[in-house]
Amino acid sequence: AQSVSQHNHHVILSEAASLELGCNYSYGGTVNLFWYVQYPGQHLQLLLKYFSGDPLVKGIKGFEAEFIKSKFSFNLRKPSVQWSDTAEYFCAVSINSGTYKYIFGTGTRLKVLA
Amino acid sequence: DTGVSQNPRHKITKRGQNVTFRCDPISEHNRLYWYRQTLGQGPEFLTYFQNEAQLEKSRLLSDRFSAERPKGSFSTLEIQRTEQGDSAMYLCASSLAAGRDSFLLGANTGELFFGEGSRLTVL
Repeated sequence: AQSVSQHNHHVILSEAASLELGCNYSYGGTVNLFWYVQYPGQHLQLLLKYFSGDPLVKGIKGFEAEFIKSKFSFNLRKPSVQWSDTAEYFCAVSINSGTYKYIFGTGTRLKVLA
Repeated sequence: DTGVSQNPRHKITKRGQNVTFRCDPISEHNRLYWYRQTLGQGPEFLTYFQNEAQLEKSRLLSDRFSAERPKGSFSTLEIQRTEQGDSAMYLCASSLAAGRDSFLLGANTGELFFGEGSRLTVL
């Protein structure tokens, strides 16, 4: 069964610092990868997704993620964070056969200090 | 608002009582998902529907849990004989399987649109 690991549970950064959040998945076949964000008091929303093509994908609000197939990773990056990026970030995976479910990681809580 | 709607937003109940949550997905979305989220955890998959058919249920979904999606529109999640361990946020999400997903049989690349969730507290 597929699973998703997010190793950073809590991250604290100052504004303008660079961000990288790790995401690893376990599944040997073709995957679709997602990053979702949950701002305080709001519902989960999509930041970006990858399902084929250029492994470097760009999302909203200056976020990007790189799919490295050999490492089973899909790390999220942002060159310069803002206070408004304070949120919880979830990596998720879906596969293209047998099931339409999405599996989420445990999340990383990011706090950006002004 | 044309997003995913869930109600009630909060429910406090005593152990042993039954509760029901309702989810209204985005109207043209044919897939509907239920997840459960507890503090410090990511959303845990419970079940999903394609139109009115319930296609998969997690082992997390005990016999006390039942979900329906009559007519392929709104869905309900009922928990019977609630236990304290059922306390959680219950999330509903919907997606549209179309286009590329239809062409590639079984593909699942669509974005999930989440509701605000229904928070259950079992005393």
